[in-house]
Amino acid sequence: QKEVEQNSGPLSVPEGAIASLNCTYSDRGSQSFFWYRQYSGKSPELIMSIYSNGDKEDGRFTAQLNKASQYVSLLIRDSQPSDSATYLCAAVHSGGYQKVTFGTGTKLQVIP
Amino acid sequence: ETGVTQSPTHLIKTRGQQVTLRCSSQSGHNTVSWYQQALGQGPQFIFQYYREEENGRGNFPPRFSGLQFPNYSSELNVNALELDDSALYLCASSLSGRAVGTGELFFGEGSRLTVL
Repeated sequence: QKEVEQNSGPLSVPEGAIASLNCTYSDRGSQSFFWYRQYSGKSPELIMSIYSNGDKEDGRFTAQLNKASQYVSLLIRDSQPSDSATYLCAAVHSGGYQKVTFGTGTKLQVIP
Repeated sequence: ETGVTQSPTHLIKTRGQQVTLRCSSQSGHNTVSWYQQALGQGPQFIFQYYREEENGRGNFPPRFSGLQFPNYSSELNVNALELDDSALYLCASSLSGRAVGTGELFFGEGSRLTVL
């Protein structure tokens, strides 16, 4: 069982719609969660972090965390073609060093 | 403020050879982590360096080794290259190596290694 699991997609949404990206994790010791965006041929860039249960909003992005269900999600409102990328979910286990465990990523395609 | 820089950006090696990849961390960052990203996969943690010491290691064999220098720059060395080592190697810098993780990584553009 992978520590962080994502559906590889592709997830196709029309421009202007809400894109919903999901992630589950197996390590209950994970305390910090992140979403990274990776354009084709580029390196990942951090777009959202979330540390406590509930929702966290930043512009068009909303991250949601449910530790009881071991579930993290990212909502992108008013999706734009420029949002087309692979979105990587990541988790950090508390205690010790910063080992960041990534999922395989979900490819998002926003159709104009 | 300078970002994370990696060199070389692309390289081709043959099986059995050795390779050294280099990384300069973002200004003010004291921790460097290395990741391997195979095509279509997420980044896999190789190891992390903090204050010139290996601070943690993923499930990679000893032929993957590294160094961190006093200026926080780092090297990744891979000996006895295998075909499966072909991947994008990402360096990421961050603050605070031993504190409970923030996980906020700043990545370089990567070094794409092809092993023939």
